[in-house]
Amino acid sequence: SQKIEQNSEALNIQEGKTATLTCNYTNYSPAYLQWYRQDPGRGPVFLLLIRENEKEKRKERLKVTFDTTLKQSLFHITASQPADSATYLCALDTGGFKTIFGAGTRLFVKA
Amino acid sequence: DTGVSQNPRHKITKRGQNVTFRCDPISEHNRLYWYRQTLGQGPEFLTYFQNEAQLEKSRLLSDRFSAERPKGSFSTLEIQRTEQGDSAMYLCASSPDVEEVTHQETQYFGPGTRLLVL
Repeated sequence: SQKIEQNSEALNIQEGKTATLTCNYTNYSPAYLQWYRQDPGRGPVFLLLIRENEKEKRKERLKVTFDTTLKQSLFHITASQPADSATYLCALDTGGFKTIFGAGTRLFVKA
Repeated sequence: DTGVSQNPRHKITKRGQNVTFRCDPISEHNRLYWYRQTLGQGPEFLTYFQNEAQLEKSRLLSDRFSAERPKGSFSTLEIQRTEQGDSAMYLCASSPDVEEVTHQETQYFGPGTRLLVL
């Protein structure tokens, strides 16, 4: 079955540094991959989508890469701010209507 | 507010009782999803509707769970004979139909209904 792995440990970084989160997957070749942000007690919020034929996508301080050979996506937040502290979820397309989410990585940005 | 709304936001019930949750998607979205999320985990897919048709169901959705979207607008998720293991956040999401190419795969989530079964 499809499996998604994200850093299980929380990531603690200093304000202004770049945060890098990892998403690895197995047993599938998704047409696209998405990243969502989730704050405590709230639903996930869409951030970026990257397709299998795209290597990199950017949106303001966010950058996502997608390596279909390694079956890995990296999510970067540059010039991080305390307001970026949240859980970041990776989500895979399965070719049907079902989306599979990773467990998420908690990011803490210290002022 | 034109986002996805869910009611109630919180529900406490006793084991064995039935509960029903409601989701109102973004009005022009034809696709509607239900997920369950437990602490420290990502959302787990439960079921999907295209308009009023339920097109996909997860094996997680036991016979105690039923979902409807009778007029292709709002949806309800009912859990019968609740068990303590049903305690979780239940999330609803909606997305535009496939004819709308831009962000067709993006899902817009509601705030969730947190269920606690005692």
